[in-house]
Amino acid sequence: EMQLLESGGALVQPGGSLRLSCTASGFTFSSYAMSWVRQAPGKGLEWVSVVTGSGGSTYYADSVKGRFTISRDNSKNTLFLQMNSLRVEDTAIYYCAKVVGAPLFGYLQHWGQGTLVPVSS
Amino acid sequence: QSALTQPASVSGSPGHSITISCTGTNSDVGGYNYVSWYQQHPGKAPKVMIYDVTNRPSGVSNRFSGSKSGNTASLTISGLQAEDEADYYCTSYTNSYTVVFGGGTKLTVL
Repeated sequence: EMQLLESGGALVQPGGSLRLSCTASGFTFSSYAMSWVRQAPGKGLEWVSVVTGSGGSTYYADSVKGRFTISRDNSKNTLFLQMNSLRVEDTAIYYCAKVVGAPLFGYLQHWGQGTLVPVSS
Repeated sequence: QSALTQPASVSGSPGHSITISCTGTNSDVGGYNYVSWYQQHPGKAPKVMIYDVTNRPSGVSNRFSGSKSGNTASLTISGLQAEDEADYYCTSYTNSYTVVFGGGTKLTVL
């Protein structure tokens, strides 16, 4: 059974940093692009970033470019999101998702249950 | 990149059909056939219902269908059932090498 399990969410102060992890199982992790999508409390979904299966190419939403870094460790079936210079408006549930198809053209076939990141002083 | 435009809410009676629109520009929806639709029940992770404008993933009911005309994509749900009550989001590739979501539509089954 395909599973994605996010971890690392925690309360952080504005300007702080946090690293999220997403551990995958049930599929050949390195064969698929992976994405992060977030959802602020009571709000809609927002695409954050995507990384190719090899990890060689990454893409970001303008709202996080230069502050967030997506990466992966295919030997450990794990996706990461390094978040720096966090802002109050980054408060959200962060979901990782498996991409079927090309990294930017494909669809999000399977999602984790999400991890909450509150940014507050 | 601005979010795609969806109606905030739609409603319909059991057994009836509804359509949710998703309007973008020729830089996203109108320029590419990479529109997907996601269903999200409260407190749950989203689930893909339609991809590449018209395609249904395995296991998704054929009551769900997608289409596109110009800069507007649409999701139609026929034979409405109580379990269809959820939030629905469209998404599209953009020519800025990003992906954009719609603001979401709350479907109420009366």
